[in-house]
Amino acid sequence: DAGVIQSPRHEVTEMGQEVTLRCKPISGHDYLFWYRQTMMRGLELLIYFNNNVPIDDSGMPEDRFSAKMPNASFSTLKIQPSEPRDSAVYFCASSPSTGYSGNTIYFGEGSWLTVV
Amino acid sequence: DQQVKQNSPSLSVQEGRISILNCDYTNSMFDYFLWYKKYPAEGPTFLISISSIKDKNEDGRFTVFLNKSAKHLSLHIVPSQPGDSAVYFCAAPQGAQKLVFGQGTRLTINP
Repeated sequence: DAGVIQSPRHEVTEMGQEVTLRCKPISGHDYLFWYRQTMMRGLELLIYFNNNVPIDDSGMPEDRFSAKMPNASFSTLKIQPSEPRDSAVYFCASSPSTGYSGNTIYFGEGSWLTVV
Repeated sequence: DQQVKQNSPSLSVQEGRISILNCDYTNSMFDYFLWYKKYPAEGPTFLISISSIKDKNEDGRFTVFLNKSAKHLSLHIVPSQPGDSAVYFCAAPQGAQKLVFGQGTRLTINP
C-alpha cells in the first residue's frame, strides 16, 4: 500500500494568500484526520472525518480554516487568508474503523507550510 | 489546555545508555496511552502503548511505565542506539477516535 499521501510537501506563500493542502488516505480506511505540528503545542488535532462526514472540528483554530472530504479518497485543508502564525507542519492521517487502538493511525509525511 | 504534556523539549543520551522520556497527563479517565516516534521529514509512527490497567509494558528495548497516582508515564529505551534519535510524542485517546498528543521530546543519541 502507498500509505497516506499528502501534497504539497513544502509550500511557501505570502500572507493573505489562499493555501490548499491535499490528502489521499489509505484505501479502505474510514477515518481521516488533519493534525498540525508546532513547537509550542506539539501535534494538535484540527478536524476528523468518518466516512467522509466531519465529526469533530473543534480543533480548527479560526474561520480562516476549512476542510472538506468530497469522497473516500480525497480531502483538503484550506486556509484563507493565510497568516504567518499558520506556519507549521500539517499532517494528514487515516485509520480503519475496526477496533481503534491508536496503533492503527497512519500518518502521511506532512506538508510544511511557511507563510511570509 | 494541554491534557498531555511533555515538559522536556530535548534530551541527549550517550549510545548504550538508558534514555528516559517523560509525559504527564491531567485526565484520569484515559483508557490507554501511546508513544509515537517521528523522524525528520516523516510522519509519526506508532511505537508502543500501555493500558491504564497496567503499570508496565515491554517490547524489546522499549518499556513504558505508568504511574496513575502521579498521572505520569515514561518511556525507557535501553540500550539506546543512534537510530533512536527522533522526536517522541506521548498520546492518549479522547473520545472514540481522537488522539491528543504532547509537545514532543527530541532525543539525540550521541556515539
